[in-house]
Amino acid sequence: QQPVQSPQAVILREGEDAVINCSSSKALYSVHWYRQKHGEAPVFLMILLKGGEQKGHDKISASFNEKKQQSSLYLTASQLSYSGTYFCGTERPGNQFYFGTGTSLTVIP
Amino acid sequence: NAGVTQTPKFRVLKTGQSMTLLCAQDMNHEYMYWYRQDPGMGLRLIHYSVGEGTTAKGEVPDGYNVSRLKKQNFLLGLESAAPSQTSVYFCASSGTSRNNNEQFFGPGTRLTVL
Repeated sequence: QQPVQSPQAVILREGEDAVINCSSSKALYSVHWYRQKHGEAPVFLMILLKGGEQKGHDKISASFNEKKQQSSLYLTASQLSYSGTYFCGTERPGNQFYFGTGTSLTVIP
Repeated sequence: NAGVTQTPKFRVLKTGQSMTLLCAQDMNHEYMYWYRQDPGMGLRLIHYSVGEGTTAKGEVPDGYNVSRLKKQNFLLGLESAAPSQTSVYFCASSGTSRNNNEQFFGPGTRLTVL
């Protein structure tokens, strides 16, 4: 039931780019992306709705391919503050919400 | 605004004991959720509510009960705690607009069942 995220973990140097993928086998209304720092609660980054839209937020952007039930999160010119675990959350009919298993991102100087 | 608050922050139970986790939000949100987070498993939905007086089962509801008697509160109960319920529990709330239904999370409750 949970969406599948890849990769499970990634280590970057400051300034490098990364892509995190989220894939679901079920039809989706929307995809959310969240970031969680160690010992803290998840924090919302962005929502993507059906229609294949893309969104941007500073140097973090995302896309949603409705036909493939896939979403990707793009982090460009990564900063130390980007470190954390990234979760995609998928909303399905009936207000059911399922999070992926997470991608651990570590940015090193 | 306090946002979403959870009590308690930490709790240790013995197998078979019961307890209730309280979640409160002051954003007038209709939707509320309870998740558990285990290492390598991400966040898994236990129960959720789409309005006062309503509840529904999520992905892993067994061993838990919930109640939403007031719009601002969502209670999660464990009737007979088991070691498998050792986890971090997060509550979240959101509005109803599909365009803007980001979830706001509480700080979490770390529960250990011995």
